[in-house]
Amino acid sequence: SQQGEEDPQALSIQEGENATMNCSYKTSINNLQWYRQNSGRGLVHLILIRSNEREKHSGRLRVTLDTSKKSSSLLITASRAADTASYFCATVHSGGSQGNLIFGKGTKLSVKP
Amino acid sequence: GAVVSQHPSRVICKSGTSVKIECRSLDFQATTMFWYRQFPKQSLMLMATSNEGSKATYEQGVEKDKFLINHASLTLSTLTVTSAHPEDSSFYICSATPQGLPSGNTIYFGEGSWLTVV
Repeated sequence: SQQGEEDPQALSIQEGENATMNCSYKTSINNLQWYRQNSGRGLVHLILIRSNEREKHSGRLRVTLDTSKKSSSLLITASRAADTASYFCATVHSGGSQGNLIFGKGTKLSVKP
Repeated sequence: GAVVSQHPSRVICKSGTSVKIECRSLDFQATTMFWYRQFPKQSLMLMATSNEGSKATYEQGVEKDKFLINHASLTLSTLTVTSAHPEDSSFYICSATPQGLPSGNTIYFGEGSWLTVV
């Protein structure tokens, strides 16, 4: 069953602005991952944060994890038109198989040039 | 880097026929692969876990006789949609993790397969 919930469901910003997307989940997790999906295409893994980590950076991406609130955020700084895509969080719950991901509903990001 | 390939990327079939979708790990072995379905503008839903050399594990609500999964080798899993109906039209995506790696490693997704049943 779907456990992740992203908000906002859709986000439209201008190039150069920062984009913040949030994700909440319900059960204990091993790790939380963020993926990007261009329209009609497969998923690209962006970043993984483990349950004992609070923050992680990768280039223009910054992910935070608050296990007490069961929430995570993805920040894309200095956004570009090429960042336009849907972004999903996915969790591996405690005791679950590594590849058994539970996906959130996603945030559709539109970056206008 | 590791790549997972799906074929076909797009397929149109007539209602009542069966269609097979392949998922291959190109440069690593995967004892386990996962099949997801994604309806338009919705998220991915796990359908089943494909286990090499044994039966697949299906998620609740997924008909195992309709969605046949075969994982005959460490690099290939197939999903066959039998007696397809228009409501089976969807985007099907597979994923795989290199065998033997500890938890927390990257999962690789295929590019997905669009199925349209007419």
